[in-house]
Amino acid sequence: DSGVTQTPKHLITATGQRVTLRCSPRSGDLSVYWYQQSLDQGLQFLIQYYNGEERAKGNILERFSAQQFPDLHSELNLSSLELGDSALYFCASSVAPGQGWDTQYFGPGTRLTVL
Amino acid sequence: AQSVTQLDSHVSVSEGTPVLLRCNYSSSYSPSLFWYVQHPNKGLQLLLKYTSAATLVKGINGFEAEFKKSETSFHLTKPSAHMSDAAEYFCVVSDFKNDMRFGAGTRLTVKP
Repeated sequence: DSGVTQTPKHLITATGQRVTLRCSPRSGDLSVYWYQQSLDQGLQFLIQYYNGEERAKGNILERFSAQQFPDLHSELNLSSLELGDSALYFCASSVAPGQGWDTQYFGPGTRLTVL
Repeated sequence: AQSVTQLDSHVSVSEGTPVLLRCNYSSSYSPSLFWYVQHPNKGLQLLLKYTSAATLVKGINGFEAEFKKSETSFHLTKPSAHMSDAAEYFCVVSDFKNDMRFGAGTRLTVKP
């Protein structure tokens, strides 16, 4: 158990809908990262927050957004969902803002299915 | 830009025999390198990481990896495979900006 929690575990929704994925980092970790894992794209970094502020951006679509709250939990919002958004979404956390050597601890993931 | 290539999408070994999972990287900076393991329906777990200290890195569960700058490689090895090692393994490269790039993964099968 990494100490990172994600809810819900599974989410099934329809195209065009909007969903929110939630992540609670390990105690003491200030950075939260979001990743998407799909069969065709593999594991892709989406976005990072550090202590409430956006720190780095990866391959995140404009339909997706995220935020980190004062209690350091984070939410990933996915809107206007398409079939291709079906994937496993991981959250990870680390202590520092990320200097390349910062170890990230991954949550169990949320499996999103868009029908 | 940086990238990582895992040279084998699938590796199959017999229990008790050595494991070799190959990873080559490309980076403009002095990279940090990681190996993560993902068991079915589970999140990723850190096996080991290299951050410019000793080039031979020991990780959990008997795994180790050697950073070879001249070959731009970071291969993962284990002397004797266990059935419980069957999983997907990801090699990851990260630069000072913490832009992590994941390899496509290598699925390790362990035969009894």
